Amino acid sequence: SQQGEEDPQALSIQEGENATMNCSYKTSINNLQWYRQNSGRGLVHLILIRSNEREKHSGRLRVTLDTSKKSSSLLITASRAADTASYFCATVYSGTYKYIFGTGTRLKVLA
Amino acid sequence: DVKVTQSSRYLVKRTGEKVFLECVQDMDHENMFWYRQDPGLGLRLIYFSYDVKMKEKGDIPEGYSVSREKKERFSLILESASTNQTSMYLCASSSGLHYTGELFFGEGSRLTVL
Repeated sequence: SQQGEEDPQALSIQEGENATMNCSYKTSINNLQWYRQNSGRGLVHLILIRSNEREKHSGRLRVTLDTSKKSSSLLITASRAADTASYFCATVYSGTYKYIFGTGTRLKVLA
Repeated sequence: DVKVTQSSRYLVKRTGEKVFLECVQDMDHENMFWYRQDPGLGLRLIYFSYDVKMKEKGDIPEGYSVSREKKERFSLILESASTNQTSMYLCASSSGLHYTGELFFGEGSRLTVL
């Protein structure tokens, strides 16, 4: 399969805790992106990290990229109930226009 | 703000019917995409268009066709709907030829084929 793999498939935490989800991919990438999807809605772009970057921050989001391990992680700090959603990584492979999406991590933040 | 609008949020069709899913974007984006989303399978690319009247097959084009007569509009056509095409369909757009940045998604069209 070309798809990225997210881990875990589902995660349930208390409000205020940090949430970490991981994404692995298969071959050299141009960049890796994280998207969020509220139930039954479209995807919303969160953050993009390029292949020559190792870490990126945006508000409560921190993304790391380890190209030697072909993996990325998304950390959401001080989670809120409103962060409850599915999170997808999308890899864009070098030399293509294709965005390969993983199967997602379902995050539930309990108030 | 970029807006990608999908004409129908929910559709119910019968097997064999012709189905049109419309997508319109208002930011003059060159690239438009149709994905389908199924539980456990993630998003799979059906078709991609990088210019008016230009299209390329994605990973699962069988049973689908597309039309892009105007830059802002990308239509997905199911010539003869089948039950295995019951799914969530997502349209997306992005700017620039060979652009590999952010995708902007519509709200999705949930199609049920009976």
